Amino acid sequence: AQSVTQLDSHVSVSEGTPVLLRCNYSSSYSPSLFWYVQHPNKGLQLLLKYTSAATLVKGINGFEAEFKKSETSFHLTKPSAHMSDAAEYFCVVSTGGGNKLTFGTGTQLKVEL
Amino acid sequence: NAGVTQTPKFQVLKTGQSMTLQCAQDMNHNSMYWYRQDPGMGLRLIYYSASEGTTDKGEVPNGYNVSRLNKREFSLRLESAAPSQTSVYFCASSEAYSRYLVEQFFGPGTRLTVL
Repeated sequence: AQSVTQLDSHVSVSEGTPVLLRCNYSSSYSPSLFWYVQHPNKGLQLLLKYTSAATLVKGINGFEAEFKKSETSFHLTKPSAHMSDAAEYFCVVSTGGGNKLTFGTGTQLKVEL
Repeated sequence: NAGVTQTPKFQVLKTGQSMTLQCAQDMNHNSMYWYRQDPGMGLRLIYYSASEGTTDKGEVPNGYNVSRLNKREFSLRLESAAPSQTSVYFCASSEAYSRYLVEQFFGPGTRLTVL
């Protein structure tokens, strides 16, 4: 079975400061991991994905995530937050032969002036 | 290139009414999916279609049916709506049903309220 835990339901940062959104996963097999972003009243957009290549993955809009097998973590970071980053972020895991995704419960990121 | 489109955007139903949510993609993707999103629960898979002509149950299929009408279109039907089906419904598609071709592209969602 696979699961993903997002450790913070809400994160608040000031504009220009670093962002850290935490995600831990559980998987019986070597996982594929993703971060999706959802802006208010919009669909989900893929930020980045890990599929067993480089452990440090760079995504869109300056986000990156590091796959740490020993810690079963896939935390999302950005060096400097922008107001437009305010959104909900989902950590997602896929394992097995198919394409079934298991979503975390989401982290709401608030960016303040 | 519109990507994944969904209709309607909003819908209010009374308990027991039926309706069909429509989804279409123009990316020539083989696989399509229906999810529901509830507060504090992330997205949960209702049904998926790995390829044209096939459909399979996901995590929460009860109360729903699906039809893969052709390669482009994948509809979700509520035969007798219940208040527990109040949710935001997302359709998604991917190039194939494979963990190695796994990016799913999402539509804008349908916000459904059942009174």
